Amino acid sequence: DTAVSQTPKYLVTQMGNDKSIKCEQNLGHDTMYWYKQDSKKFLKIMFSYNNKELIINETVPNRFSPKSPDKAHLNLHINSLELGDSAVYFCASSQVGTGRGSPLHFGNGTRLTVT
Amino acid sequence: GNSVTQMEGPVTLSEEAFLTINCTYTATGYPSLFWYVQYPGEGLQLLLKATKADDKGSNKGFEATYRKETTSFHLEKGSVQVSDSAVYFCALIYGGATNKLIFGTGTLLAVQP
Repeated sequence: DTAVSQTPKYLVTQMGNDKSIKCEQNLGHDTMYWYKQDSKKFLKIMFSYNNKELIINETVPNRFSPKSPDKAHLNLHINSLELGDSAVYFCASSQVGTGRGSPLHFGNGTRLTVT
Repeated sequence: GNSVTQMEGPVTLSEEAFLTINCTYTATGYPSLFWYVQYPGEGLQLLLKATKADDKGSNKGFEATYRKETTSFHLEKGSVQVSDSAVYFCALIYGGATNKLIFGTGTLLAVQP
């Protein structure tokens, strides 16, 4: 019973291609996130959706487009992939409004390699 | 702005040694503080948390106390094991509608038998 699951786990593709990563959570949370972890393990937030509404949109190239069909799913589509997009992408979810600083629950990550 | 600073690694210890990983934060208001752990090849797991000053979070032998006066949340464990080898991230959420989690740079812990 994986709480936050993302697919695929590994994604190897060539520059210029378009790819998607899918994320689903079964925790009943109302907020979902995408984080990027670079080669030095640094984690930076990219996007966040609350009840299908975009609430965080950090400085991310517009080649990256999140889509949330419902509050249990948040997908990430990347157009025209570049070498610098190689990283591990983590999906997460939380229940905002249950108190101060609800912790985020993370998926196991998708390792994207652009060649 | 809001940020988290943690000690650079790697931290290399022998089994049963005492562990401290320092973490300090800068935030407006009163954030909630967290430690996450990332084992090799895995995702991030919540290790412990504290939501207000003087709270102590604890889990699996790890502890951290929310110190408002020193804006710190240092992670400690009395006796580390080889299985504790991982990257440890200090993080904060400063609340509001976004519940945005901000991470420190991570500290790699390597425990040798």
